[in-house]
Parts: sequence; structure tokens; C-alpha cells
Amino acid sequence: GAGVSQSPRYKVAKRGQDVALRCDPISGHVSLFWYQQALGQGPEFLTYFQNEAQLDKSGLPSDRFFAERPEGSVSTLKIQRTQQEDSAVYLCASSLNWDQPQHFGDGTRLSIL
Amino acid sequence: ILNVEQSPQSLHVQEGDSTNFTCSFPSSNFYALHWYRWETAKSPEALFVMTLNGDEKKKGRISATLNTKEGYSYLYIKGSQPEDSATYLCAEPGGGADGLTFGKGTHLIIQP
Repeated sequence: GAGVSQSPRYKVAKRGQDVALRCDPISGHVSLFWYQQALGQGPEFLTYFQNEAQLDKSGLPSDRFFAERPEGSVSTLKIQRTQQEDSAVYLCASSLNWDQPQHFGDGTRLSIL
Repeated sequence: ILNVEQSPQSLHVQEGDSTNFTCSFPSSNFYALHWYRWETAKSPEALFVMTLNGDEKKKGRISATLNTKEGYSYLYIKGSQPEDSATYLCAEPGGGADGLTFGKGTHLIIQP
């Protein structure tokens, strides 16, 4: 379909390992957002891209988190030296512009053992 | 930092009954309010984006109202059906970040 695609759907990693989560937004969507959703909470903002520019990374919880969108389309969220508290659902969303309705992917459920 | 709150946290409703729940948000520097429906094992789906005080929007049996002066929005579901079971999230852009600040959601369960 033409929706936002995220991979993998599930990821299990051992503490200390690095992980990479992929987001393929809707074609033509300028804005791309990453959110982290812990159990029982609403999604929390991590970072925002407009095309290839990362305009806001104020929500990234530590310098172990890194996101990129080098060609203004696909984005990757990387977490280095994972910790148990990184276990969450990571949601990617895209929109035509930052103030338009956001279209979400199914998320990646990350479990750190 | 924005504080978006939703109530109740969870709600059980009999099939066929109507229901409503609340989203409250800071009334100062308001820009827009988003409502999303998130069904289990699916992605959050945008329902409404509301910007004007007094706005009322409708999508099938679901409608929403907005009061920006007092800082609240209501979501109404008329004649609940089992497929309405989901978590309903409201969110506001801003709060120092370019993304949305979400409430914790209202988890709605429709009982046949």
C-alpha cells in the first residue's frame, strides 16, 4: 500500500547491542517524525525532519540515540549500546507539512533483554 | 512543556450506547488539536485536526468539539459498535518541540 512502512515490526536485542529501525514515509511527505511509546503512555516525541534536515532532536533521550534521513525520504533511527529502558514501541509518522495530520506506521516493538 | 490530559483512562460501553470522553490542554498559545484512533496491532489513524474555537467535526458516528478558551475537546461516539474499541489519543503541536505532545489516551472497550 501507500502508507508509512516500518521495519522490523519486532526487534529483540541484548543489552549493549546496537539496533537500527527503518521508516519509509509516504512519498512526497516533507515532514517525518519519530516517537517513542512506553507501555501505558501516549507516544512521546523524539525527533523531526523536514526533508533531509533534522530540525528538532530535542526529544532524543540520550546521545545513544541518533536519527538520519539523508535523501529526504527513508529515515533510520539508531540506538547504540541499548539499555533495558529503551524497550518501547517506536513509531514513525509522516505528513505533508509539520502542521498537517500525521500518518503513522505500525511501529517497531523493541525489547531489550 | 505542554500538559495534555485525557479522561477517563479507560471506558467500558455497551454496544449501541453512545459515549464521550475528554481531552484538556493549555488554553494559551493554542494552535491546533489532533485526535487519533489507535486499534490494537494497527497504526494510529488520524480522525480530526481542529483549530478554531467552537469547531465541530464529524466522521460517521464520531464527532468532536473544541473549546480553546477553556482548553478542552470532547470526542463523541454515537451508537457504539465493537469496531470502535481502540485507544483514542489527542495531541497538540508545540511545547518546545516540533512534534505532537500526546495525552495518555482513553482506552475504549465496546462490550457486545
